[in-house]
Amino acid sequence: EDKVVQSPLSLVVHEGDTVTLNCSYEVTNFRSLLWYKQEKKAPTFLFMLTSSGIEKKSGRLSSILDKKELFSILNITATQTGDSAVYLCAVAGYGQNFVFGPGTRLSVLP
Amino acid sequence: GAVVSQHPSRVICKSGTSVKIECRSLDFQATTMFWYRQFPKKSLMLMATSNEGSKATYEQGVEKDKFLINHASLTLSTLTVTSAHPEDSSFYICSASDSGGLGTDTQYFGPGTRLTVL
Repeated sequence: EDKVVQSPLSLVVHEGDTVTLNCSYEVTNFRSLLWYKQEKKAPTFLFMLTSSGIEKKSGRLSSILDKKELFSILNITATQTGDSAVYLCAVAGYGQNFVFGPGTRLSVLP
Repeated sequence: GAVVSQHPSRVICKSGTSVKIECRSLDFQATTMFWYRQFPKKSLMLMATSNEGSKATYEQGVEKDKFLINHASLTLSTLTVTSAHPEDSSFYICSASDSGGLGTDTQYFGPGTRLTVL
């Protein structure tokens, strides 16, 4: 059965801290892994990862995929209160649709 | 854990026909369901929010007469794309929330439905 597990489910940090969010998966015929940030309405697309070991970076956010160990991490450095959100990991397989993880709820305190 | 299913997982239809997509919460009561559409660059656009027993709230720019949403029970919401056209071809994803009954207002996402309109 395809599944995505995220950890931790919730996290509280202070501004300036660095956080690492984890996503592990089991999916048939893996095609890609996606990270989203969800604040109030629609999740905002962050990264799509298809190859192992290649870090994707956007500002203070970065992510990397390990297809051998079946996991991905999302790093946020120098966190700000605006980073507070639910971070969703989703995995897509060829010929299949998405499997979303439960999300990690990040709270960044001033 | 909370599971949301969608049916069908993929559908191909002719232009001008209507297509119904079902979203079900399998093991919890979903007081609120959300319908999203995914665009080519993977962004998700919220189309509408539906609460059981009441009319859906549509986002700006989403035609409510074209995308009919019905949330008839606490476990089922349907999205009907009426008079579908090729530009409606997309990936439609639903999510469900129990609005706090499971301890949080977490949204649980379904696997999506891929619609192709010929």
